[in-house]
Amino acid sequence: SQTIHQWPATLVQPVGSPLSLECTVEGTSNPNLYWYRQAAGRGLQLLFYSVGIGQISSEVPQNLSASRPQDRQFILSSKKLLLSDSGFYLCAWSSGPRGANVLTFGAGSRLTVL
Amino acid sequence: AQSVTQLGSHVSVSEGALVLLRCNYSSSVPPYLFWYVQYPNQGLQLLLKYTSAATLVKGINGFEAEFKKSETSFHLTKPSAHMSDAAEYFCAVSDPRGSNYKLTFGKGTLLTVNP
Repeated sequence: SQTIHQWPATLVQPVGSPLSLECTVEGTSNPNLYWYRQAAGRGLQLLFYSVGIGQISSEVPQNLSASRPQDRQFILSSKKLLLSDSGFYLCAWSSGPRGANVLTFGAGSRLTVL
Repeated sequence: AQSVTQLGSHVSVSEGALVLLRCNYSSSVPPYLFWYVQYPNQGLQLLLKYTSAATLVKGINGFEAEFKKSETSFHLTKPSAHMSDAAEYFCAVSDPRGSNYKLTFGKGTLLTVNP
């Protein structure tokens, strides 16, 4: 069966510090991978998605970046965090290209920028 | 572009009462529609999905939703609420023609169940 792992679960970072959130998927190959951010009262915002190694699409311009160095690994990064980067970050995967668009989510990473 | 609107950011019901969470969508093509549930500090879990088959879709935990094209709606219902149903619920839409399967989510409805 497929599983998705996301870490760290919680982190507190000062403004201006770097960020690295990691997500890995097991039990499947060539998944579509996604990073969403959830801010209080604002639903889920798609940040990045990837349909293959090295292929990253950005949905929202910001100081975050994503990378996919391996088929089942997706990393969210920042060189300098802003206060507005605080939120709950969710990684997700779906099968392609003929899946019914079902996203399976990780447990999330809660980021607090102080 | 596709979008969903969830009417009511907070719904409160009594245990045993009907649960009705509203979702209206906007899409230029017949969409795929989803309901997800999120418990505190957890990821989202799929409740049910509509993918152009039967318009009445049954999901987990006794929930169901009906796709009504004429009303552009996909409301979520459960006949009798349980305390364990307290969570945040998200409606989502996607374009089945796409190859990247992006979901667009509503802003969520927080369901409170009172004893």
